[in-house]
Amino acid sequence: GESVGLHLPTLSVQEGDNSIINCAYSNSASDYFIWYKQESGKGPQFIIDIRSNMDKRQGQRVTVLLNKTVKHLSLQIAATQPGDSAVYFCADPQGSSYKLIFGSGTRLLVRP
Amino acid sequence: DGGITQSPKYLFRKEGQNVTLSCEQNLNHDAMYWYRQDPGQGLRLIYYSQIVNDFQKGDIAEGYSVSREKKESFPLTVTSAQKNPTAFYLCASNPGQNSPLHFGNGTRLTVT
Repeated sequence: GESVGLHLPTLSVQEGDNSIINCAYSNSASDYFIWYKQESGKGPQFIIDIRSNMDKRQGQRVTVLLNKTVKHLSLQIAATQPGDSAVYFCADPQGSSYKLIFGSGTRLLVRP
Repeated sequence: DGGITQSPKYLFRKEGQNVTLSCEQNLNHDAMYWYRQDPGQGLRLIYYSQIVNDFQKGDIAEGYSVSREKKESFPLTVTSAQKNPTAFYLCASNPGQNSPLHFGNGTRLTVT
């Protein structure tokens, strides 16, 4: 079936470096993607979203890139900080439905 | 502050007992959702409701029931028919299709 998945389960980066978290999707009809951050014991927090009419969107220290040709998106975090340590999920509402399909997540570890 | 409140944060039950998890939102959102998260995994959709007095099964609805009598409230009952009820349960809401979900901070249910 259709799925949203992540390439790497764990990413370890040095504090101050940039982080890149990748996500692949398989539904060609997907036109909206959301990145969430989940800290231990808490619910996911919205970070940034992107619609398919864009290939890049920037927020505060975060950038999401969308490559519809290869069905891939990435989340870039600039100058990674210890507070960025969390699990990051990409999610896809699967076209026009209300259902949000989540990938299994990437754990970001920031080394001091 | 507007948000989603889930209670209790931790819940312990004996096998064979039904248990109801509370979810309340004051965001005036039409749609509400219940997800289940198992350790090291992504979120799986249990039930969702697009509007009051209406709800649909998600991907793993067996052993669960919900009601949506008020816009603000979407309680989830974990019944004795759910074979593996121990998990982290997350409630979410959004204004409608293709908009980010807002999550509560979850209820961790342990059944022994």
